Amino acid sequence: DARVTQTPRHKVTEMGQEVTMRCQPILGHNTVFWYRQTMMQGLELLAYFRNRAPLDDSGMPKDRFSAEMPDATLATLKIQPSEPRDSAVYFCASAWEGTGSYEQYFGPGTRLTVT
Amino acid sequence: LAKTTQPISMDSYEGQEVNITCSHNNIATNDYITWYQQFPSQGPRFIIQGYKTKVTNEVASLFIPADRKSSTLSLPRVSLSDTAVYYCLVGFKAAGNKLTFGGGTRVLVKP
Repeated sequence: DARVTQTPRHKVTEMGQEVTMRCQPILGHNTVFWYRQTMMQGLELLAYFRNRAPLDDSGMPKDRFSAEMPDATLATLKIQPSEPRDSAVYFCASAWEGTGSYEQYFGPGTRLTVT
Repeated sequence: LAKTTQPISMDSYEGQEVNITCSHNNIATNDYITWYQQFPSQGPRFIIQGYKTKVTNEVASLFIPADRKSSTLSLPRVSLSDTAVYYCLVGFKAAGNKLTFGGGTRVLVKP
């Protein structure tokens, strides 16, 4: 049963520290998404990649957030420096973009707490 | 950018049918409509996807009228385990089109 994996599952850090979240998409999927979920804002799209190329990162605070795909099996989301308002659950999802639309498969999320 | 609107919450009882309507007045010609289910502490899970008319799978049906400005997710004979948040998503794969989750509908199934 293919799944998206995310590490770490939980992260507690102090304000100002760098945070790196990792995602392994499902093998063969060519599209990767990063979402952030909070009680106040709900589920927000931060960025997404197709064939490892960033297509849209307009939902991401550019001054502190960065997203990359070093290779097809790894996507990273980095926050530097972190702030308390970054506390949220961060989800990675992957999909195969073929003909028509596609289904996104979500990982279990990384729960980030910035104190 | 197609924006979606859903009811914030709905209550139901076991065995009943639950219908959740999503409004997407600005849906584009190429957009698909997808519904996801999310349980606490889990990522959203795909339920069903459609473009027009009716789609049915083993867990739900999706009704889309001809103008495609809305869609209705139908969950037949719900059980307690169907208590979750349901999201309507409208979008297409084309580069530059931003996928947008609706606010989600919190469905509570009571015994």
